[in-house]
Amino acid sequence: QKEVEQDPGPLSVPEGAIVSLNCTYSNSAFQYFMWYRQYSRKGPELLMYTYSSGNKEDGRFTAQVDKSSKYISLFIRDSQPSDSATYLCAMRRISSGSARQLTFGSGTQLTVLP
Amino acid sequence: GAVVSQHPSWVICKSGTSVKIECRSLDFQATTMFWYRQFPKQSLMLMATSNEGSKATYEQGVEKDKFLINHASLTLSTLTVTSAHPEDSSFYICSARDWTVSYEQYFGPGTRLTVT
Repeated sequence: QKEVEQDPGPLSVPEGAIVSLNCTYSNSAFQYFMWYRQYSRKGPELLMYTYSSGNKEDGRFTAQVDKSSKYISLFIRDSQPSDSATYLCAMRRISSGSARQLTFGSGTQLTVLP
Repeated sequence: GAVVSQHPSWVICKSGTSVKIECRSLDFQATTMFWYRQFPKQSLMLMATSNEGSKATYEQGVEKDKFLINHASLTLSTLTVTSAHPEDSSFYICSARDWTVSYEQYFGPGTRLTVT
């Protein structure tokens, strides 16, 4: 079983829709949770960064973490064609050394249709 | 925000030759750099972690003699793919972090390697 599971999609939605992207994980030691956006043939770009459980909002993006369920989500409101990309969840533990490395989900490919 | 660059962005080489990929942190000191490999429609797979001035730590299954990593300065790390084979063709991405400042990890734009 992978430490982080993410539905690979592809997910296709009309412009203006609300998009929900999700990841589940098995390692209860994960404390930091991130969402990256990756355009085709580009490096990942950090979108959202949260620590432990709770919600965080940044413009059209909202990240949710539910540690009790080991479940994280990214919501995109009023989705735009420019949001079309692969979205990767990532997480890591709080301790030092190699635990600072990120564990990535497999990524969800999103297409927003105009 | 912090910027990480990679050079070249795309390289084609013949089987058996070596290729060097550079990763630079442009506006911060990268105490730690990571090298990832990504196959089409797959996630990033960590290859190795390097701290400035130290030998890289390779992930299980990654041949350290094939993928040479040098992190000689706080702004530059290099990955050399030695004796490249077609199966080494992939998208290589580096990331960098200054752990004394932030937990954030900044990614480069990636280098697409094609071995013919």
